Amino acid sequence: GENVEQHPSTLSVQEGDSAVIKCTYSDSASNYFPWYKQELGKRPQLIIDIRSNVGEKKDQRIAVTLNKTAKHFSLHITETQPEDSAVYFCAASDGTSYDKVIFGPGTSLSVIP
Amino acid sequence: GAVVSQHPSRVICKSGTSVKIECRSLDFQATTMFWYRQFPKKSLMLMATSNEGSKATYEQGVEKDKFLINHASLTLSTLTVTSAHPEDSSFYICSARDRRHTYEQYFGPGTRLTVT
Repeated sequence: GENVEQHPSTLSVQEGDSAVIKCTYSDSASNYFPWYKQELGKRPQLIIDIRSNVGEKKDQRIAVTLNKTAKHFSLHITETQPEDSAVYFCAASDGTSYDKVIFGPGTSLSVIP
Repeated sequence: GAVVSQHPSRVICKSGTSVKIECRSLDFQATTMFWYRQFPKKSLMLMATSNEGSKATYEQGVEKDKFLINHASLTLSTLTVTSAHPEDSSFYICSARDRRHTYEQYFGPGTRLTVT
């Protein structure tokens, strides 16, 4: 089955700086890679996703890149703000069952004002 | 749009009793719903995939007789934790996939279960 790793586990940046979170996956058949933001005690919120036929996708301050050959994908947040502080999870579709996604362990991002 | 609700938000029960958690898609039809368990400061662990009108598919290591899942309609799935024990205390979150979209999952607010 799919295995997703994520780094770093914690990340602290100054307000205005960029933050980068990296993930790797194991199943070459995976074709959908969402990113979720979860604030303390709240539900995960989809912030951006990418499919395997695309190498990069951007939405305002957030961008995701995908390297299918290397089986890794990254989240980039530019001009970070204190409200970006949260736990971020990457996920990858299970190659044998496109119904489900497998989550990475998460990155706790702190943006220091 | 794409709102998912869960009920109850918090529940405390005695050891040995059963607890039912409901997951509803409020403004869309969900052929597939997912149940996750999340421990403090940990990731979401998929427990099972719930398909409307058919038996749920459980992940390896998840006891299907302990975590009963029913997906009786396109907007409702229920998770029943049977004979709960303190180790079942956790945050349970459901998600639902809009049948009109291929991949996107929308999460419920979660249910905090405490077994005493």
